[in-house]
Amino acid sequence: QITLKESGPTLVKPTQTLTLTCVFSGFSLSTAGAGVAWIRQPPGKALEWLGLIYWDDDKIYSPSLKSRLTITKDTSKNQVVLSMTNMDPVDTATYYCAHVGGWFDPWGQGTLVTVSS
Amino acid sequence: SYVLTQPPSVSVAPGQTARITCGGNKIGSKSVHWYQQKPGQAPVLVVHDDSDRPSGIPERVSGSNSWNTATLTISRVEAGDEADYYCQVWDNGGALFGTGTRVTVL
Repeated sequence: QITLKESGPTLVKPTQTLTLTCVFSGFSLSTAGAGVAWIRQPPGKALEWLGLIYWDDDKIYSPSLKSRLTITKDTSKNQVVLSMTNMDPVDTATYYCAHVGGWFDPWGQGTLVTVSS
Repeated sequence: SYVLTQPPSVSVAPGQTARITCGGNKIGSKSVHWYQQKPGQAPVLVVHDDSDRPSGIPERVSGSNSWNTATLTISRVEAGDEADYYCQVWDNGGALFGTGTRVTVL
């Protein structure tokens, strides 16, 4: 059974860098084909894909956010980390990580991040 | 850039059929995945690769994809089907979600 859980700050100030961690179990990011994605959802709005990292350390980012995002993995700890620079109030959202296997399944429970001074 | 368009809302009476569309240029040439999101919960995959159901998803949930429109069909709608539904495709290596459709059970 695959599970994922996001953790990190619930409140960040504008211009700060957000760092979120996704801890997962039930699969290994050293297995060929495995991947973990990050997706966010502003309150009351649609899902927005941010990026993903694959077992071979290949990373793909949303073109609109690429300059602000970094995704890394620690295979030994079963963790994936998302960093997003220069946070703005419009980045207020629930951030999800999800297992990638051709589609996103399953998802973590999500963590709400508010950007406010 | 590629755009996926969904109707904002669909209303359906219990026992009837809900059809949720996802429009995109030549979407029939892509694999479409569908997610259900209930209030306060994370999305759940309900259909992958146009029409395949993960284990645990009832047979009354089905999908199709042709030309410029993919469709998620929920037959014999129940109160528990009330949720937001999102389509998703891969485009140029990245993922793209549709605008989302809220299904209301009357």
